[in-house]
Amino acid sequence: SAVISQKPSRDICQRGTSLTIQCQVDSQVTMMFWYRQQPGQSLTLIATANQGSEATYESGFVIDKFPISRPNLTFSTLTVSNMSPEDSSIYLCSVRQGVDTGELFFGEGSRLTVL
Amino acid sequence: AQTVTQSQPEMSVQEAETVTLSCTYDTSESDYYLFWYKQPPSRQMILVIRQEAYKQQNATENRFSVNFQKAAKSFSLKISDSQLGDAAMYFCAYRSARDSWGKLQFGAGTQVVVTP
Repeated sequence: SAVISQKPSRDICQRGTSLTIQCQVDSQVTMMFWYRQQPGQSLTLIATANQGSEATYESGFVIDKFPISRPNLTFSTLTVSNMSPEDSSIYLCSVRQGVDTGELFFGEGSRLTVL
Repeated sequence: AQTVTQSQPEMSVQEAETVTLSCTYDTSESDYYLFWYKQPPSRQMILVIRQEAYKQQNATENRFSVNFQKAAKSFSLKISDSQLGDAAMYFCAYRSARDSWGKLQFGAGTQVVVTP
Protein backbone atom coordinates (compact mmCIF):
# COMPACT_ATOMS: atom_id res chain seq x y z
CA SER A 1 0.00 0.00 0.00
CA ALA A 2 1.06 3.59 -0.60
CA VAL A 3 2.94 5.43 2.12
CA ILE A 4 1.75 8.99 2.51
CA SER A 5 3.57 11.74 4.39
CA GLN A 6 1.98 15.02 5.38
CA LYS A 7 3.61 18.20 6.62
CA PRO A 8 3.08 19.87 8.96
CA SER A 9 1.77 17.33 11.42
CA ARG A 10 0.24 20.12 13.45
CA ASP A 11 0.36 23.87 13.61
CA ILE A 12 -1.13 26.79 15.47
CA CYS A 13 -2.01 29.69 13.23
CA GLN A 14 -3.23 33.23 13.64
CA ARG A 15 -6.52 34.41 12.23
CA GLY A 16 -6.18 35.90 8.75
CA THR A 17 -3.06 34.00 7.79
CA SER A 18 -2.68 31.16 5.28
CA LEU A 19 -1.02 27.79 5.65
CA THR A 20 0.06 25.26 3.05
CA ILE A 21 -0.09 21.55 3.79
CA GLN A 22 2.10 19.20 1.80
CA CYS A 23 1.31 15.62 0.85
CA GLN A 24 4.04 13.33 -0.48
CA VAL A 25 3.38 9.79 -1.71
CA ASP A 26 6.03 7.11 -2.15
CA SER A 27 4.60 5.95 -5.46
CA GLN A 28 2.89 7.50 -8.44
CA VAL A 29 -0.84 7.87 -8.04
CA THR A 30 -3.46 9.35 -10.33
CA MET A 31 -6.08 10.49 -7.86
CA MET A 32 -5.44 12.40 -4.65
CA PHE A 33 -8.14 13.59 -2.30
CA TRP A 34 -8.18 16.21 0.42
CA TYR A 35 -10.57 15.69 3.34
CA ARG A 36 -11.39 17.89 6.31
CA GLN A 37 -12.28 16.52 9.72
CA GLN A 38 -13.66 19.14 12.07
CA PRO A 39 -13.37 18.45 15.82
CA GLY A 40 -15.39 15.39 16.79
CA GLN A 41 -16.81 15.08 13.29
CA SER A 42 -16.56 12.77 10.31
CA LEU A 43 -14.51 13.29 7.18
CA THR A 44 -15.77 15.66 4.52
CA LEU A 45 -14.26 15.74 1.05
CA ILE A 46 -12.87 19.12 0.07
CA ALA A 47 -11.61 18.36 -3.42
CA THR A 48 -10.19 15.79 -5.77
CA ALA A 49 -6.78 16.53 -7.31
CA ASN A 50 -6.15 14.79 -10.57
CA GLN A 51 -2.65 15.28 -11.95
CA GLY A 52 -2.55 17.55 -14.95
CA SER A 53 -5.90 19.21 -14.39
CA GLU A 54 -7.54 21.66 -12.06
CA ALA A 55 -8.82 20.29 -8.78
CA THR A 56 -12.52 19.51 -8.55
CA TYR A 57 -14.18 20.99 -5.48
CA GLU A 58 -17.13 19.65 -3.55
CA SER A 59 -20.15 21.75 -2.76
CA GLY A 60 -19.34 24.28 -0.07
CA PHE A 61 -15.63 24.48 -0.85
CA VAL A 62 -14.08 27.02 -3.21
CA ILE A 63 -10.70 27.41 -4.83
CA ASP A 64 -10.07 30.87 -3.37
CA LYS A 65 -10.29 29.46 0.15
CA PHE A 66 -8.62 26.08 -0.49
CA PRO A 67 -6.25 26.34 -3.47
CA ILE A 68 -4.71 23.02 -4.41
CA SER A 69 -1.66 22.23 -6.47
CA ARG A 70 -0.81 18.90 -8.07
CA PRO A 71 2.49 19.37 -9.90
CA ASN A 72 3.26 15.68 -10.37
CA LEU A 73 2.07 12.15 -9.65
CA THR A 74 3.55 11.95 -6.15
CA PHE A 75 2.89 15.36 -4.59
CA SER A 76 0.09 17.77 -3.77
CA THR A 77 -0.47 20.79 -1.59
CA LEU A 78 -3.57 22.24 0.03
CA THR A 79 -3.55 25.84 1.19
CA VAL A 80 -6.04 27.05 3.77
CA SER A 81 -6.36 30.78 3.08
CA ASN A 82 -7.37 33.67 5.30
CA MET A 83 -7.96 31.34 8.20
CA SER A 84 -10.58 31.77 10.89
CA PRO A 85 -11.19 29.68 14.03
CA GLU A 86 -13.80 27.71 12.05
CA ASP A 87 -10.98 26.32 9.94
CA SER A 88 -9.52 24.53 12.95
CA SER A 89 -9.60 20.93 11.76
CA ILE A 90 -7.59 17.92 10.77
CA TYR A 91 -6.81 17.96 7.07
CA LEU A 92 -6.16 14.58 5.54
CA CYS A 93 -4.57 13.67 2.24
CA SER A 94 -5.62 10.39 0.68
CA VAL A 95 -4.80 8.51 -2.49
CA ARG A 96 -6.17 5.79 -4.67
CA GLN A 97 -3.66 3.15 -5.67
CA GLY A 98 -2.61 2.70 -9.27
CA VAL A 99 -4.31 -0.68 -9.25
CA ASP A 100 -7.72 0.31 -7.98
CA THR A 101 -8.82 -2.04 -5.22
CA GLY A 102 -11.57 0.30 -4.08
CA GLU A 103 -10.17 1.78 -0.92
CA LEU A 104 -8.26 4.96 -0.25
CA PHE A 105 -5.05 5.24 1.72
CA PHE A 106 -4.57 8.11 4.10
CA GLY A 107 -1.81 10.25 5.47
CA GLU A 108 -1.55 10.93 9.18
CA GLY A 109 -3.32 14.22 8.82
CA SER A 110 -2.41 17.79 9.66
CA ARG A 111 -4.04 19.25 12.75
CA LEU A 112 -4.55 23.00 12.41
CA THR A 113 -5.62 25.23 15.27
CA VAL A 114 -6.55 28.79 14.40
CA LEU A 115 -6.53 31.34 17.18
CA ALA B 1 -26.90 11.17 -3.33
CA GLN B 2 -25.70 8.41 -1.10
CA THR B 3 -25.76 8.72 2.68
CA VAL B 4 -24.03 6.64 5.29
CA THR B 5 -25.52 6.43 8.77
CA GLN B 6 -23.87 5.24 11.95
CA SER B 7 -26.39 5.50 14.75
CA GLN B 8 -24.10 4.59 17.65
CA PRO B 9 -21.89 7.50 18.79
CA GLU B 10 -20.08 5.27 21.28
CA MET B 11 -19.83 1.60 22.14
CA SER B 12 -18.10 0.12 25.15
CA VAL B 13 -16.74 -3.43 25.32
CA GLN B 14 -14.67 -5.41 27.78
CA GLU B 15 -11.44 -7.01 26.73
CA ALA B 16 -11.94 -10.41 25.09
CA GLU B 17 -15.62 -9.70 24.47
CA THR B 18 -17.40 -8.99 21.20
CA VAL B 19 -18.87 -5.74 19.98
CA THR B 20 -20.93 -5.01 16.88
CA LEU B 21 -21.03 -1.63 15.17
CA SER B 22 -23.93 -0.77 12.92
CA CYS B 23 -23.93 1.03 9.59
CA THR B 24 -26.70 1.63 7.12
CA TYR B 25 -26.48 3.36 3.78
CA ASP B 26 -28.79 4.69 1.18
CA THR B 27 -28.11 4.13 -2.50
CA SER B 28 -29.99 3.35 -5.69
CA GLU B 29 -26.96 1.61 -7.19
CA SER B 30 -26.32 -2.12 -7.26
CA ASP B 31 -22.55 -2.12 -7.53
CA TYR B 32 -20.46 -0.42 -4.87
CA TYR B 33 -17.83 -0.88 -2.19
CA LEU B 34 -18.22 -0.64 1.56
CA PHE B 35 -15.43 -0.13 4.06
CA TRP B 36 -14.72 0.09 7.74
CA TYR B 37 -11.86 2.38 8.73
CA LYS B 38 -10.30 2.74 12.15
CA GLN B 39 -8.93 6.06 13.41
CA PRO B 40 -6.93 5.79 16.64
CA PRO B 41 -5.78 8.90 18.53
CA SER B 42 -2.78 9.08 16.20
CA ARG B 43 -5.26 10.27 13.53
CA GLN B 44 -4.08 7.76 10.91
CA MET B 45 -7.03 6.29 9.05
CA ILE B 46 -6.49 2.55 8.78
CA LEU B 47 -8.53 0.25 6.57
CA VAL B 48 -10.05 -2.53 8.65
CA ILE B 49 -12.14 -4.40 6.11
CA ARG B 50 -13.59 -4.08 2.61
CA GLN B 51 -16.73 -5.54 1.05
CA GLU B 52 -17.70 -5.53 -2.61
CA ALA B 53 -21.44 -5.42 -3.09
CA TYR B 54 -21.54 -8.10 -5.77
CA LYS B 55 -19.98 -10.61 -3.38
CA GLN B 56 -22.52 -12.40 -1.22
CA GLN B 57 -19.92 -13.76 1.16
CA ASN B 58 -19.23 -11.60 4.18
CA ALA B 59 -15.67 -10.31 4.41
CA THR B 60 -13.47 -11.40 7.30
CA GLU B 61 -10.08 -10.16 8.47
CA ASN B 62 -8.81 -12.01 11.53
CA ARG B 63 -10.95 -10.81 14.48
CA PHE B 64 -12.97 -8.44 12.30
CA SER B 65 -15.95 -9.58 10.28
CA VAL B 66 -18.92 -7.93 8.63
CA ASN B 67 -22.56 -8.78 8.24
CA PHE B 68 -23.49 -7.41 4.82
CA GLN B 69 -27.22 -7.34 4.15
CA LYS B 70 -27.58 -5.85 0.68
CA ALA B 71 -31.36 -5.77 0.55
CA ALA B 72 -31.53 -4.07 3.93
CA LYS B 73 -28.59 -1.78 3.02
CA SER B 74 -26.87 -2.72 6.23
CA PHE B 75 -23.16 -3.26 6.85
CA SER B 76 -22.27 -4.04 10.46
CA LEU B 77 -18.78 -4.70 11.84
CA LYS B 78 -18.14 -7.32 14.49
CA ILE B 79 -14.97 -7.13 16.55
CA SER B 80 -14.31 -10.41 18.32
CA ASP B 81 -11.96 -10.99 21.24
CA SER B 82 -11.60 -7.22 21.71
CA GLN B 83 -8.18 -5.88 22.61
CA LEU B 84 -7.11 -2.59 24.18
CA GLY B 85 -5.57 -1.65 20.84
CA ASP B 86 -8.98 -1.79 19.21
CA ALA B 87 -9.98 1.39 21.01
CA ALA B 88 -10.51 3.99 18.29
CA MET B 89 -13.09 5.80 16.22
CA TYR B 90 -14.56 3.54 13.55
CA PHE B 91 -15.96 4.95 10.33
CA CYS B 92 -18.16 3.20 7.80
CA ALA B 93 -17.61 4.39 4.22
CA TYR B 94 -19.26 3.95 0.83
CA ARG B 95 -17.89 4.16 -2.70
CA SER B 96 -19.91 3.87 -5.86
CA ALA B 97 -18.40 1.47 -8.39
CA ARG B 98 -19.44 3.96 -11.06
CA ASP B 99 -17.23 6.63 -9.52
CA SER B 100 -14.03 6.14 -11.47
CA TRP B 101 -12.31 8.73 -9.34
CA GLY B 102 -12.88 6.68 -6.22
CA LYS B 103 -13.97 9.18 -3.59
CA LEU B 104 -15.44 7.84 -0.38
CA GLN B 105 -18.39 9.04 1.66
CA PHE B 106 -18.10 8.52 5.40
CA GLY B 107 -20.54 8.02 8.23
CA ALA B 108 -20.39 10.02 11.45
CA GLY B 109 -18.28 7.43 13.25
CA THR B 110 -18.58 5.24 16.34
CA GLN B 111 -16.16 5.59 19.23
CA VAL B 112 -15.16 2.17 20.59
CA VAL B 113 -14.02 2.10 24.20
CA VAL B 114 -12.30 -1.06 25.43
CA THR B 115 -12.21 -1.65 29.18
CA PRO B 116 -9.82 -4.06 30.91
